[in-house]
Amino acid sequence: SAVISQKPSRDICQRGTSLTIQCQVDSQVTMMFWYRQQPGQSLTLIATANQGSEATYESGFVIDKFPISRPNLTFSTLTVSNMSPEDSSIYLCSVFLAGGAPGSGEQFFGPGTRLTVL
Amino acid sequence: AQKITQTQPGMFVQEKEAVTLDCTYDTSDPSYGLFWYKQPSSGEMIFLIYQGSYDQQNATEGRYSLNFQKARKSANLVISASQLGDSAMYFCAMREVYTGGFKTIFGAGTRLFVKA
Repeated sequence: SAVISQKPSRDICQRGTSLTIQCQVDSQVTMMFWYRQQPGQSLTLIATANQGSEATYESGFVIDKFPISRPNLTFSTLTVSNMSPEDSSIYLCSVFLAGGAPGSGEQFFGPGTRLTVL
Repeated sequence: AQKITQTQPGMFVQEKEAVTLDCTYDTSDPSYGLFWYKQPSSGEMIFLIYQGSYDQQNATEGRYSLNFQKARKSANLVISASQLGDSAMYFCAMREVYTGGFKTIFGAGTRLFVKA
């Protein structure tokens, strides 16, 4: 299994400012993902962050708004830039650990960062 | 078009009874994985069960089983002997493989209420 920690666990920010969320994993993982969960909604994939390459963003998410760093196999950051109240969400870091059989494996999630933008 | 569809926003079940949460999916990829996660009010995402597209048998994990009907593209979660602690949000998810990696997308979720 993988133990994932995120910092901060929650924050209240003013519009126009930026917040960087940290994600630390207790084992080395190749693939790391960032999700957003708006209040009462499902999880939406923001981007995939593989170590040693540029993050791959999903439709509707851009690097200028959500820059991601992945300096090593256990750590990543997501920055929410120039925040507006619409960015108020829970941001979750996730990693995938491959299983023994081809194609198998489990995806683990961090506890999330609850962001409120005023 | 939605790739993962959960048509039940909310479900009620009596304690100790079984309940089925529906999930249908859409993909043209022959290789994919299907997952169910539980999210209690605390917000953590708890992995419940996994079914690979090539798996011949339905997955089971304790009280959880996945009713996988490939031709119908459905992957319903069956919870047997419901407990009060099963009250939570349940998400169906699908992992799609692409060149160089994969991504997991989630359905809208079903909120399950277990009644005493």
